[in-house]
Amino acid sequence: QKEVEQNSGPLSVPEGAIASLNCTYSDRGSQSFFWYRQYSGKSPELIMSIYSNGDKEDGRFTAQLNKASQYVSLLIRDSQPSDSATYLCAVNPDSGGYQKVTFGTGTKLQVIP
Amino acid sequence: DTAVSQTPKYLVTQMGNDKSIKCEQNLGHDTMYWYKQDSKKFLKIMFSYNNKELIINETVPNRFSPKSPDKAHLNLHINSLELGDSAVYFCASSRGGDEKLFFGSGTQLSVL
Repeated sequence: QKEVEQNSGPLSVPEGAIASLNCTYSDRGSQSFFWYRQYSGKSPELIMSIYSNGDKEDGRFTAQLNKASQYVSLLIRDSQPSDSATYLCAVNPDSGGYQKVTFGTGTKLQVIP
Repeated sequence: DTAVSQTPKYLVTQMGNDKSIKCEQNLGHDTMYWYKQDSKKFLKIMFSYNNKELIINETVPNRFSPKSPDKAHLNLHINSLELGDSAVYFCASSRGGDEKLFFGSGTQLSVL
């Protein structure tokens, strides 16, 4: 069983729409959750982190966490063509204090002008 | 100034050769990592060092040997390269106790 699962996409949304990206994880002890954005040919960059249940908003981005359902999502409001990238969900499982961030395979987002 | 820099950016080599990738961070972070990203974009941790001490060593062939001369540097040496080693290798760093990762620009390794 994969530790972090994402739909690979591509997810296509029109410009200005809300893009919804989803992620599930297997380790119930996980405490830290992240969304990274990776443009083609570039390195991943952190865009959101979330540690407690509920929503966390940062500009056009909202991360949502539901630990009971082992589910984390990322909403992008007013999607722009520049948001077209692969979004990687990352989770730090309960690894005894060591940082062992585990990534999903990513969802490719395409924002259509 | 680049926060996490790795060299070379591209590495093309023949099977059986030995090659090294170098990584340096100027963020003052305590922890450094090597991640491998395969052709399907799956990013998997290989190694992690904290203050020059190896703390994570995933199931990686022993042809891969990391070395950390100090906490700002983490190099990766690969012996007897195989076709399956072709991938993008990312160096990353984080502040102690903080899992947020800062990635280098990656090294595209192609084994022919």
